[in-house]
Amino acid sequence: LAKTTQPISMDSYEGQEVNITCSHNNIATNDYITWYQQFPSQGPRFIIQGYKTKVTNEVASLFIPADRKSSTLSLPRVSLSDTAVYYCLAHNYGQNFVFGPGTRLSVLP
Amino acid sequence: GAVVSQHPSRVICKSGTSVKIECRSLDFQATTMFWYRQFPKKSLMLMATSNEGSKATYEQGVEKDKFLINHASLTLSTLTVTSAHPEDSSFYICSGLAGGGSTDTQYFGPGTRLTVL
Repeated sequence: LAKTTQPISMDSYEGQEVNITCSHNNIATNDYITWYQQFPSQGPRFIIQGYKTKVTNEVASLFIPADRKSSTLSLPRVSLSDTAVYYCLAHNYGQNFVFGPGTRLSVLP
Repeated sequence: GAVVSQHPSRVICKSGTSVKIECRSLDFQATTMFWYRQFPKKSLMLMATSNEGSKATYEQGVEKDKFLINHASLTLSTLTVTSAHPEDSSFYICSGLAGGGSTDTQYFGPGTRLTVL
């Protein structure tokens, strides 16, 4: 079973900031949080990874509060091309990745 | 990020034939690679973990004699679907494990669409 739960779907409009929250109440001390983006008929693409507090890269930010029971992926100013499925995973080093159903984000014009 | 390729991107075969899918890590060495399959509008399901130079570890319910995995080098793993049947039609995705120390990241290939007639 996946260690995380996410909303099944979300809608947004172009130019808005999108925040997708992932719950991981039973996260282990050594677990990291990694987010992937997947378009239809493509392999998942790595977005961002973090352990705690805030991580930012050129495409997204990841917020992980001190209790680490949840995390939020923030996508600034989304465009139509950000329509995809987003997966949140909690995993330990070398551990198998167990994918949940992900969040299907639809960006509307 | 690290790049993983798969070949072929799509294949159509007749029932009863075997199909080989290659997974290559192009700019990093992957001691461990993973094979997943994905059905339409479903999530990825792990099939097996492939370690360079050793036998693959299969997930429960995955037939190791049907899905042969070979990881002969640090940059290449292959999945052979033997005696394919229509129910084996799916999207097969591999990933390579990159990093070291206390963290790691899986980088995924573009996937291979297998259609068995």
